[in-house]
Parts: sequence; C-alpha cells; structure tokens
Amino acid sequence: EVQLVQSGAEVKKPGESLKISCKGSGYSFATYWIGWVRQMPGKGLEWMGIIYPGDSDTRYSPSFQGQVTISADKSISTAYLHWSSLKASDTAMYYCARRSSSGWSEADYWGQGTLVTVSS
Amino acid sequence: DIQMTQSPSSLSASVGDRVTITCRASQSISSYLNWYQQKPGKAPKLLIYAASSLQSGVPSRFSGSGSGTDFTLTISSLQPEDFATYYCQQSYSTHMYTFGQGTELEIK
Repeated sequence: EVQLVQSGAEVKKPGESLKISCKGSGYSFATYWIGWVRQMPGKGLEWMGIIYPGDSDTRYSPSFQGQVTISADKSISTAYLHWSSLKASDTAMYYCARRSSSGWSEADYWGQGTLVTVSS
Repeated sequence: DIQMTQSPSSLSASVGDRVTITCRASQSISSYLNWYQQKPGKAPKLLIYAASSLQSGVPSRFSGSGSGTDFTLTISSLQPEDFATYYCQQSYSTHMYTFGQGTELEIK
C-alpha cells in the first residue's frame, strides 16, 4: 500500500528555522517525483515545487523560489521542506504529494498534511 | 504561468441533484487537467486525471470532460458525502502545476 506520512504539527516563532518531512512507503520512492503544496488558513491549494528523489532534481514555483528549500534523502525514502527564517505568513497546512507515473502528472497519493504555526 | 479559473466559487445543491463545475485555463493545456476533492481537515483526493479518466476507486457518478482551455467536472447525482471543495489543476506546464481557486459545494 502506497503511503506518504508527514511529520507532526509545529509551532515556531518568527525568524526560527524549520524542516518538515514526508516519508514514503509501499513503492519505489526514488523513482517518483514528490511535490509540496501549501494551504493557508481558509484558502486554496498552492503548488510550491517538486523534487525527484533519485537525483534530487528540484524545481520551484516562482512564488516560492528562494523562500523554501526542498530536499530528499532516498536512502530513507523521505522528502523535506525547509525554512531558514520563518515568517508569520508561513502559517499554513503543508501537504506532500506523489506525482503519478501515468504520464499525466496528476498527484495520486497525498500525505496527511503538516500544520505549521508561526507566532510570536 | 498558466492561470486556472473555476466557476462558480461556491454552489448550493441538494442530494440527488446533477452538478457541474467549470475550469478554464489561460492557455491551451491539451488534456492535462486533474480534479481533486477536499473535505474539511483532510488532504485532497484525486478524482479525475487527464481531463476525463476516473481514478481507481472513485464512484462513477463523477465524470470529467473538456480539452484545450475549457473543462467540466460533473457529479450526476449528488450524495451526502460529496459536499466538499473541488479543485482543478493543470499539469501541462512541466513541474509547475497550478490549481484553480476551488469550488465549495454546500448543502441547500
């Protein structure tokens, strides 16, 4: 069974760093792209970027370039989303999702989400 | 960037109704259009990919159509569990997969 399991909720202060994780199981993690999606409170879904764990090829949506870092460790089947200096506006739910191998690039499996709260 | 616009933003309907949600792309995306359902507090769930292909396990009352710039998601007979928010997403632009703003489907 394919599963993406994300790390737990975080409460941080502005300026702090944070890395959240997404661990895949039930499939060949290194050979599927993993994307990250932001959902701010009461808002819609925003595509942040995507990584290929096999070679760590990473692409960012222009809105998120320079704001976050996406990485992966294929040896432990885990992708990461990292902030070096959080802002209050980073408060959101963050989802990881697997890009399918169908050729149509849909996100066929999703993590349960990680809630990040940034508040002084 | 390819912009995706959904209409309506919200919709009230009754159990048993036929419902259609529209998604328009700012440029042609062929059939690279996906639909997701999201319930409160839950992760999105894939319903339709490639504009009209039903994801495994999704009830057949859900269907999708369209190509180029105009797409629709239809629910043939609404069930109580279908009240949720629906998002379209383009996957034509390599690695830059933008979503529509969402359509909230509420009980009338």
